Amino acid sequence: EVQLFESGGDLVQPGGSVRLSCEAYGFTLNNFAMTWVRQAPGKGLEWVATIDSSGGSGTHYADSVKGRFTISRDGSKNMLYLYMNSLRVDDTAVYYCVRPRISNPHTRCFAPWGQGTLVIVSS
Amino acid sequence: DIQMTQSPSSVSASVGDRVTITCRASQDISSSLAWYQQRPGKAPHLLMYSASSLQGGVPSRFSGSGSGTDFTLTITSLQPEDLATYYCQQTSSFPLTFGGGTKVEIK
Repeated sequence: EVQLFESGGDLVQPGGSVRLSCEAYGFTLNNFAMTWVRQAPGKGLEWVATIDSSGGSGTHYADSVKGRFTISRDGSKNMLYLYMNSLRVDDTAVYYCVRPRISNPHTRCFAPWGQGTLVIVSS
Repeated sequence: DIQMTQSPSSVSASVGDRVTITCRASQDISSSLAWYQQRPGKAPHLLMYSASSLQGGVPSRFSGSGSGTDFTLTITSLQPEDLATYYCQQTSSFPLTFGGGTKVEIK
């Protein structure tokens, strides 16, 4: 069964850093472009970042996180990461790790989703 | 960036009713549209992709239509378990963008 499990969410002060992790089960993470999506409390969904499959080298970021967040993967561990620096109060959200429905570079709809991990940025 | 606008923001309907949700893109996205359901307290899950293709395991009372800029998600016979917020997402180009959501409530 294909599953994703996020971890690393925490209470962080503004300006701080945190690393989110996502462990993939049931598929080879390197074969898929992988994405982080976030949801602020009581709000809608916001795309954060995507890393191309290992055959490509591209990363894509929302303007709201560009220069502060870094998405990366470790294929040997089947893990996806999101390094979050210079955190702001408006980064407070549940962060979801998501995989495309199929392994196709142009497929950008997501199934499955992880359960999410909560990052709270507050002093 | 492609803006996605959903309407209505909320709808209340009775069990067995037909419910239609609309999503409009700010530019032509062909059929590059997905729909998600998010039940209270849960992660979203994929209902439809390529505007009108039903994801495996999703009940056939859900259907999607549209192309270009105007899309609809229809629930033909609302069930109690359909209480949720529904989101559209354009999959055409980065930055990927979601609609603001439509909350479906049961009368």
